[in-house]
Amino acid sequence: NAGVTQTPKFRVLKTGQSMTLLCAQDMNHEYMYWYRQDPGMGLRLIHYSVGEGTTAKGEVPDGYNVSRLKKQNFLLGLESAAPSQTSVYFCASRLSGGPYNEQFFGPGTRLTVL
Amino acid sequence: AQKVTQAQTEISVVEKEDVTLDCVYETRDTTYYLFWYKQPPSGELVFLIRRNSFDEQNEISGRYSWNFQKSTSSFNFTITASQVVDSAVYFCALSLPGGGNKLTFGTGTQLKVEL
Repeated sequence: NAGVTQTPKFRVLKTGQSMTLLCAQDMNHEYMYWYRQDPGMGLRLIHYSVGEGTTAKGEVPDGYNVSRLKKQNFLLGLESAAPSQTSVYFCASRLSGGPYNEQFFGPGTRLTVL
Repeated sequence: AQKVTQAQTEISVVEKEDVTLDCVYETRDTTYYLFWYKQPPSGELVFLIRRNSFDEQNEISGRYSWNFQKSTSSFNFTITASQVVDSAVYFCALSLPGGGNKLTFGTGTQLKVEL
Protein backbone atom coordinates (compact mmCIF):
# COMPACT_ATOMS: atom_id res chain seq x y z
CA ASN A 1 0.00 0.00 0.00
CA ALA A 2 1.28 3.43 -0.94
CA GLY A 3 -0.87 5.16 1.69
CA VAL A 4 -1.38 8.83 0.85
CA THR A 5 0.51 10.22 -2.13
CA GLN A 6 0.75 13.79 -3.40
CA THR A 7 1.65 15.12 -6.82
CA PRO A 8 3.77 17.12 -7.45
CA LYS A 9 6.36 17.28 -4.65
CA PHE A 10 7.63 20.73 -5.62
CA ARG A 11 6.31 23.50 -7.82
CA VAL A 12 7.19 27.09 -8.59
CA LEU A 13 4.46 29.33 -9.99
CA LYS A 14 4.29 32.92 -11.11
CA THR A 15 1.63 35.18 -9.68
CA GLY A 16 -1.64 34.66 -11.51
CA GLN A 17 -0.89 31.17 -12.76
CA SER A 18 -3.14 28.27 -11.93
CA MET A 19 -2.38 24.73 -10.86
CA THR A 20 -3.91 21.62 -9.35
CA LEU A 21 -2.46 19.51 -6.58
CA LEU A 22 -3.46 15.87 -6.58
CA CYS A 23 -3.90 13.72 -3.52
CA ALA A 24 -4.53 9.99 -3.80
CA GLN A 25 -5.09 7.37 -1.12
CA ASP A 26 -5.40 3.61 -1.42
CA MET A 27 -6.79 2.89 2.05
CA ASN A 28 -10.47 3.24 1.09
CA HIS A 29 -10.82 6.18 3.49
CA GLU A 30 -14.00 8.22 3.41
CA TYR A 31 -12.59 11.47 4.77
CA MET A 32 -9.91 13.55 3.10
CA TYR A 33 -8.34 16.91 4.01
CA TRP A 34 -6.09 19.60 2.63
CA TYR A 35 -3.88 21.60 5.01
CA ARG A 36 -1.27 24.26 4.55
CA GLN A 37 1.75 24.60 6.81
CA ASP A 38 3.44 27.93 7.30
CA PRO A 39 6.32 28.79 9.66
CA GLY A 40 5.13 29.43 13.19
CA MET A 41 1.50 28.68 12.36
CA GLY A 42 1.19 24.92 12.48
CA LEU A 43 -1.17 23.25 10.03
CA ARG A 44 -4.35 24.99 9.01
CA LEU A 45 -7.25 23.29 7.29
CA ILE A 46 -8.15 24.57 3.82
CA HIS A 47 -10.95 22.25 2.69
CA TYR A 48 -12.12 18.78 3.51
CA SER A 49 -14.41 16.05 2.20
CA VAL A 50 -16.45 13.46 4.06
CA GLY A 51 -17.16 11.37 0.99
CA GLU A 52 -17.15 11.17 -2.78
CA GLY A 53 -18.87 14.17 -4.30
CA THR A 54 -18.85 16.24 -1.10
CA THR A 55 -16.57 19.08 -0.02
CA ALA A 56 -16.62 21.68 2.74
CA LYS A 57 -14.61 24.74 3.74
CA GLY A 58 -12.04 24.69 6.46
CA GLU A 59 -10.30 27.49 8.30
CA VAL A 60 -8.51 29.15 5.35
CA PRO A 61 -10.45 28.35 2.13
CA ASP A 62 -10.09 31.64 0.25
CA GLY A 63 -8.24 31.34 -3.05
CA TYR A 64 -8.62 27.57 -3.24
CA ASN A 65 -11.12 25.16 -4.72
CA VAL A 66 -11.40 21.41 -4.33
CA SER A 67 -13.08 18.45 -5.95
CA ARG A 68 -13.70 14.86 -4.88
CA LEU A 69 -14.97 13.12 -7.98
CA LYS A 70 -13.54 9.76 -6.96
CA LYS A 71 -13.31 8.38 -3.46
CA GLN A 72 -9.58 7.86 -3.68
CA ASN A 73 -8.68 11.31 -5.04
CA PHE A 74 -8.94 14.82 -3.62
CA LEU A 75 -7.82 17.71 -5.81
CA LEU A 76 -6.80 21.15 -4.61
CA GLY A 77 -6.88 23.95 -7.17
CA LEU A 78 -5.39 27.42 -7.20
CA GLU A 79 -7.11 29.47 -9.89
CA SER A 80 -4.87 32.54 -9.67
CA ALA A 81 -1.86 31.97 -7.47
CA ALA A 82 -0.66 34.70 -5.11
CA PRO A 83 2.62 34.98 -3.17
CA SER A 84 0.61 34.52 0.05
CA GLN A 85 -0.09 30.98 -1.11
CA THR A 86 3.56 30.04 -0.88
CA SER A 87 3.45 27.19 1.59
CA VAL A 88 3.80 23.47 2.13
CA TYR A 89 0.56 21.68 1.40
CA PHE A 90 -0.39 18.43 3.09
CA CYS A 91 -3.16 16.06 2.21
CA ALA A 92 -4.55 13.63 4.76
CA SER A 93 -7.17 10.91 4.91
CA ARG A 94 -8.92 8.90 7.59
CA LEU A 95 -11.60 6.34 8.12
CA SER A 96 -15.13 7.56 8.74
CA GLY A 97 -16.70 7.13 12.15
CA GLY A 98 -15.81 9.05 15.27
CA PRO A 99 -13.03 11.58 15.78
CA TYR A 100 -10.85 8.90 17.35
CA ASN A 101 -9.52 7.75 14.00
CA GLU A 102 -6.17 9.30 13.24
CA GLN A 103 -5.43 11.08 10.01
CA PHE A 104 -2.78 9.69 7.68
CA PHE A 105 -0.72 12.34 5.94
CA GLY A 106 0.93 12.53 2.54
CA PRO A 107 4.55 13.66 2.10
CA GLY A 108 3.62 17.25 1.26
CA THR A 109 3.93 19.58 -1.73
CA ARG A 110 6.21 22.59 -1.46
CA LEU A 111 4.74 25.44 -3.50
CA THR A 112 6.46 28.73 -4.19
CA VAL A 113 4.61 31.59 -5.85
CA LEU A 114 6.85 34.33 -7.23
CA ALA B 1 -14.31 27.49 19.06
CA GLN B 2 -11.49 25.17 19.93
CA LYS B 3 -7.85 26.07 20.31
CA VAL B 4 -4.56 24.30 20.96
CA THR B 5 -1.58 26.12 22.44
CA GLN B 6 1.99 24.91 22.35
CA ALA B 7 3.82 27.71 24.08
CA GLN B 8 7.29 26.23 23.59
CA THR B 9 8.44 27.21 20.13
CA GLU B 10 11.83 25.53 20.33
CA ILE B 11 13.58 23.33 22.89
CA SER B 12 17.20 22.24 22.81
CA VAL B 13 18.50 19.40 24.97
CA VAL B 14 21.57 17.25 25.16
CA GLU B 15 21.18 13.58 24.35
CA LYS B 16 19.95 11.43 27.27
CA GLU B 17 18.17 14.33 28.92
CA ASP B 18 14.45 14.05 29.61
CA VAL B 19 12.24 16.62 27.95
CA THR B 20 8.56 17.54 28.26
CA LEU B 21 6.55 19.18 25.51
CA ASP B 22 3.55 21.12 26.72
CA CYS B 23 0.09 21.19 25.14
CA VAL B 24 -2.88 23.15 26.44
CA TYR B 25 -6.25 22.94 24.75
CA GLU B 26 -9.54 24.83 24.85
CA THR B 27 -12.98 23.45 24.01
CA ARG B 28 -16.47 23.64 25.43
CA ASP B 29 -17.28 20.13 24.27
CA THR B 30 -17.21 17.30 26.77
CA THR B 31 -16.32 14.73 24.13
CA TYR B 32 -13.09 15.31 22.25
CA TYR B 33 -9.90 13.60 21.18
CA LEU B 34 -6.32 14.73 21.51
CA PHE B 35 -3.47 13.67 19.26
CA TRP B 36 0.28 14.04 19.02
CA TYR B 37 2.07 13.97 15.68
CA LYS B 38 5.79 14.02 14.92
CA GLN B 39 7.28 15.79 11.91
CA PRO B 40 10.93 14.77 11.42
CA PRO B 41 13.26 16.75 9.16
CA SER B 42 12.09 14.66 6.19
CA GLY B 43 8.76 16.47 6.45
CA GLU B 44 6.08 13.82 6.76
CA LEU B 45 3.71 13.78 9.74
CA VAL B 46 3.69 10.66 11.84
CA PHE B 47 0.89 9.79 14.24
CA LEU B 48 2.09 9.09 17.79
CA ILE B 49 -0.91 8.81 20.07
CA ARG B 50 -4.59 9.61 20.58
CA ARG B 51 -6.48 10.11 23.83
CA ASN B 52 -10.21 10.62 24.36
CA SER B 53 -11.65 13.03 26.89
CA PHE B 54 -13.02 10.27 29.10
CA ASP B 55 -9.72 8.47 29.57
CA GLU B 56 -7.30 10.28 31.86
CA GLN B 57 -4.93 7.37 32.24
CA ASN B 58 -1.38 8.22 31.44
CA GLU B 59 0.22 6.30 28.61
CA ILE B 60 3.74 5.01 28.26
CA SER B 61 5.28 3.63 25.09
CA GLY B 62 8.95 2.91 25.40
CA ARG B 63 10.73 6.22 26.03
CA TYR B 64 7.55 8.19 25.32
CA SER B 65 4.88 9.02 27.88
CA TRP B 66 1.82 11.23 27.87
CA ASN B 67 0.14 12.98 30.79
CA PHE B 68 -3.48 13.98 30.24
CA GLN B 69 -5.02 16.24 32.87
CA LYS B 70 -8.53 17.54 32.28
CA SER B 71 -8.33 19.78 35.34
CA THR B 72 -5.66 21.87 33.62
CA SER B 73 -6.72 21.13 30.01
CA SER B 74 -3.28 19.77 29.26
CA PHE B 75 -1.91 16.83 27.34
CA ASN B 76 1.84 16.89 27.82
CA PHE B 77 4.37 14.65 26.13
CA THR B 78 7.60 13.50 27.77
CA ILE B 79 10.56 11.88 26.09
CA THR B 80 12.84 10.05 28.49
CA ALA B 81 16.53 9.72 27.69
CA SER B 82 16.22 11.73 24.48
CA GLN B 83 18.11 10.69 21.37
CA VAL B 84 19.24 12.59 18.29
CA VAL B 85 16.58 10.75 16.28
CA ASP B 86 13.94 12.46 18.42
CA SER B 87 14.83 15.78 16.78
CA ALA B 88 11.64 16.89 15.05
CA VAL B 89 8.70 19.24 15.25
CA TYR B 90 5.96 17.86 17.47
CA PHE B 91 2.34 18.87 17.03
CA CYS B 92 -0.53 18.51 19.45
CA ALA B 93 -4.01 18.49 17.91
CA LEU B 94 -7.65 18.42 18.98
CA SER B 95 -10.61 16.76 17.23
CA LEU B 96 -14.31 17.13 17.99
CA PRO B 97 -17.24 14.95 16.91
CA GLY B 98 -19.04 15.95 13.72
CA GLY B 99 -18.12 18.53 11.11
CA GLY B 100 -15.69 16.20 9.40
CA ASN B 101 -13.82 15.51 12.66
CA LYS B 102 -11.34 18.17 11.72
CA LEU B 103 -8.02 18.46 13.50
CA THR B 104 -7.12 21.75 15.12
CA PHE B 105 -3.35 21.88 15.43
CA GLY B 106 -1.09 23.76 17.78
CA THR B 107 1.78 25.70 16.29
CA GLY B 108 4.25 22.94 17.09
CA THR B 109 7.40 22.62 19.20
CA GLN B 110 10.75 22.20 17.49
CA LEU B 111 12.85 19.77 19.52
CA LYS B 112 16.58 19.67 18.91
CA VAL B 113 18.56 16.91 20.55
CA GLU B 114 22.31 17.39 20.38
CA LEU B 115 25.19 15.11 21.19
